Amino acid sequence: KQEVTQIPAALSVPEGENLVLNCSFTDSAIYNLQWFRQDPGKGLTSLLLIQSSQREQTSGRLNASLDKSSGRSTLYIAASQPGDSATYLCAVISDYNQGGKLIFGQGTELSVKP
Amino acid sequence: DTGVSQNPRHKITKRGQNVTFRCDPISEHNRLYWYRQTLGQGPEFLTYFQNEAQLEKSRLLSDRFSAERPKGSFSTLEIQRTEQGDSAMYLCASSLRHPNEKLFFGSGTQLSVL
Repeated sequence: KQEVTQIPAALSVPEGENLVLNCSFTDSAIYNLQWFRQDPGKGLTSLLLIQSSQREQTSGRLNASLDKSSGRSTLYIAASQPGDSATYLCAVISDYNQGGKLIFGQGTELSVKP
Repeated sequence: DTGVSQNPRHKITKRGQNVTFRCDPISEHNRLYWYRQTLGQGPEFLTYFQNEAQLEKSRLLSDRFSAERPKGSFSTLEIQRTEQGDSAMYLCASSLRHPNEKLFFGSGTQLSVL
């Protein structure tokens, strides 16, 4: 059974700092991995999607990497801003289920202090 | 295209009552998903549709839960005889057919069972 874990559960950094969020999964046979952002009381916004054959994806100040063999992904946020404060979730689709069922981690709650 | 729309945004009900939620996906998206999220946790998959066909249901979806997508457009999720443990955020998402397409989430329906 695929399980996704995110550490730490919460992170507080001063504005301008570069930071890394971690995601690990137990079954390396994944189809893709996505990173999402969730603001309080809101739905999820997809940030980056990494296919199983890819090593990383970049969008603006965000860079996500994927190491399937070790079951790990990281989300790097450069020059953090208070507007980056939110919960960040990673999720995987496992190979045996290409129907699109995402299995989520618990999320990392990020607070960027001005 | 106004994104994924969910109604109502909030629902307060008494234990034992039936509730129904509605989701309107992005118009050209043929896949529609329902997830449930409790405080401090990542979303948990409930069910998904490819057009009007319900292709997968989670074991979390007891016989008190039923979902429909009658014409392959909007979807409804009904919970019968609600229990306090049903209190959660119910999220709807949609995507194009290929699993490497990003998921677009609605803002969710927050259910409180008293």
